[in-house]
Amino acid sequence: DAGVIQSPRHEVTEMGQEVTLRCKPISGHDYLFWYRQTMMRGLELLIYFNNNVPIDDSGMPEDRFSAKMPNASFSTLKIQPSEPRDSAVYFCASSLARAGGYEQFFGPGTRLTVL
Amino acid sequence: RKEVEQDPGPFNVPEGATVAFNCTYSNSASQSFFWYRQDCRKEPKLLMSVYSSGNEDGRFTAQLNRASQYISLLIRDSKLSDSATYPCVVSPLSLATNKLIFGTGTLLAVQP
Repeated sequence: DAGVIQSPRHEVTEMGQEVTLRCKPISGHDYLFWYRQTMMRGLELLIYFNNNVPIDDSGMPEDRFSAKMPNASFSTLKIQPSEPRDSAVYFCASSLARAGGYEQFFGPGTRLTVL
Repeated sequence: RKEVEQDPGPFNVPEGATVAFNCTYSNSASQSFFWYRQDCRKEPKLLMSVYSSGNEDGRFTAQLNRASQYISLLIRDSKLSDSATYPCVVSPLSLATNKLIFGTGTLLAVQP
């Protein structure tokens, strides 16, 4: 089975440009999460969806960040305009809701560099 | 105060050594606990869940102390391949959400 798929794997862009990160969760999973990881702040939850509906976006740093999940098999995280401090690894993860504990499966991440 | 705190390390140990990591969490209502593993430049992966009664998986033993709000991971007979970062992970609520809170991770370096 395919795991969580993210694209692109690497992105280098210039300050002010729009960046779109893409994620395909594991088929059948009903939760999707977007994380950002930096050396300074570790792994931070940005936003998560349940059945394509955003549940908690309190981790989204500011209005420059937006996320959508138009259907169960696709989500995007957009940064517009991008800034050098947005440079990080962005992970997408998915999970299947069940009581008593669960596992989040992470994609390989997108390494973003904003010059 | 961070919701999940752990010593970032690094823990440098020789092959065959036993090493233990601790992690504390601030929300006493937390319901689910996990240890993940993250290799350099890779994604985090679940290592093991942590149950109230403690649980063991081969060389790895995880324990939970609800009264003191900490979880631990013990690795026996360390292998070179155990070198990685180990984030402890807490779920703040039981059934209402699948949200997880990750610690920054403890870096383990097993030396030959």
